[in-house]
Amino acid sequence: GAGVSQSPSNKVTEKGKDVELRCDPISGHTALYWYRQSLGQGLEFLIYFQGNSAPDKSGLPSDRFSAERTGGSVSTLTIQRTQQEDSAVYLCASRPTGNYGYTFGSGTRLTVV
Amino acid sequence: DQQVKQNSPSLSVQEGRISILNCDYTNSMFDYFLWYKKYPAEGPTFLISISSIKDKNEDGRFTVFLNKSAKHLSLHIVPSQPGDSAVYFCAASQRIKAAGNKLTFGGGTRVLVKP
Repeated sequence: GAGVSQSPSNKVTEKGKDVELRCDPISGHTALYWYRQSLGQGLEFLIYFQGNSAPDKSGLPSDRFSAERTGGSVSTLTIQRTQQEDSAVYLCASRPTGNYGYTFGSGTRLTVV
Repeated sequence: DQQVKQNSPSLSVQEGRISILNCDYTNSMFDYFLWYKKYPAEGPTFLISISSIKDKNEDGRFTVFLNKSAKHLSLHIVPSQPGDSAVYFCAASQRIKAAGNKLTFGGGTRVLVKP
């Protein structure tokens, strides 16, 4: 597709359940990032994938969060045993090698009830 | 510890007037700065950027100014239009490979342009 695609666009889950969020980056973009935006806050870095290198997981808030990127393309962010403080908009972005501009997807709005 | 701060959460301006958005940073290693614009239910979109070797970059109605000694940058929108109503995020990065071009974002400023 022409842009970064994220699914689902909205997800409501019960506290304690696991959720998976999907990101389909722009074809050919080597770098992929996950950020989240909590209500009234800025964008918080979560994790970064670059080609075949080990991901930079320094932003993941707890070990309940994990992400993978298969085949250098699609990425899945998994949150286990969701808590109410996990409620946020989760944004994925990708960029080509050597370019500093990210292209963001529209995000997944996660609500934990 | 917030390394990038936007101290004004909101700004209201009359159509045709200038909008000035401010951003402060604390990390002296940042050498590349960007502004993103975000409409509701959409992802942020890139607006304009500036390298630390410059103090000004202009693109149409948008100009970004960088004051390295003050660790401060600003975005000027002239003239402001109703379609500019959005949330604007300031972001900063270090342009070294080890940093992975991760962007550190401010909290955003919501701009409302009144017709």
